[in-house]
Amino acid sequence: DIVMTQTPLSSTVTLGQPASISCRSSESLVHSSGNTYLSWLHQRPGQPPRILIDKVSYRFPGVPDRFSGSGAGTDFTLKISRVEAEDVGIYYCMQGKELPWTFGQGTKVEIK
Amino acid sequence: EVQLVESGGDLAQPGGSLRLSCSPRGFSFSSSWMTWIRQAPGKGLEWVATISDNGKNKYYGDSVKGRFDISRDNAKNSLYLQMHSLSAEDTAVYYCATVISGATEHWGQGTRVTVSS
Repeated sequence: DIVMTQTPLSSTVTLGQPASISCRSSESLVHSSGNTYLSWLHQRPGQPPRILIDKVSYRFPGVPDRFSGSGAGTDFTLKISRVEAEDVGIYYCMQGKELPWTFGQGTKVEIK
Repeated sequence: EVQLVESGGDLAQPGGSLRLSCSPRGFSFSSSWMTWIRQAPGKGLEWVATISDNGKNKYYGDSVKGRFDISRDNAKNSLYLQMHSLSAEDTAVYYCATVISGATEHWGQGTRVTVSS
């Protein structure tokens, strides 16, 4: 199974300041199709997860442009350019390259 | 608007069975791969099972293989997860979600399964 490792596991950020979460996979997420199947999800307290970014950097419709994804191969990053109050919660990376799909442990983001 | 509504979660005895359902709205269900993902209390996300759009291809996580069965009825617009031989480790909120190219696009609100005597 592909192991997904996120850092940090917890982050306290000042409103309006940037935040960054890293995700590393135990093997390359580049599929034979040429696509890289790494997505990011956000889960607010008491809510289901919501997808933010797919295939490393594609931002889903309705996702604010302060969220951006980057990376390649085994190393990926989610950045929030200016954290807002609604950004609190847990962020997960997920690999969809092969089954079983696996998730990172989650990064809890809180506001200072 | 896409909606996924799960139901069927309940308190079950160890060794017992439960059947979860997911009712989709607002998209072409019969053209969509679907998946179940669970989240144990206070824990992260775990992929459970995925089914192809026509129901012919099914995939399971190792922890549920041989005990859970994912199925769908496109005529009834419904997705199911039949769970057998339940144990405390299956206690979780179970989410159904749509699949798009190796990612989970839309999620339901989840249904809670508790396995306890």
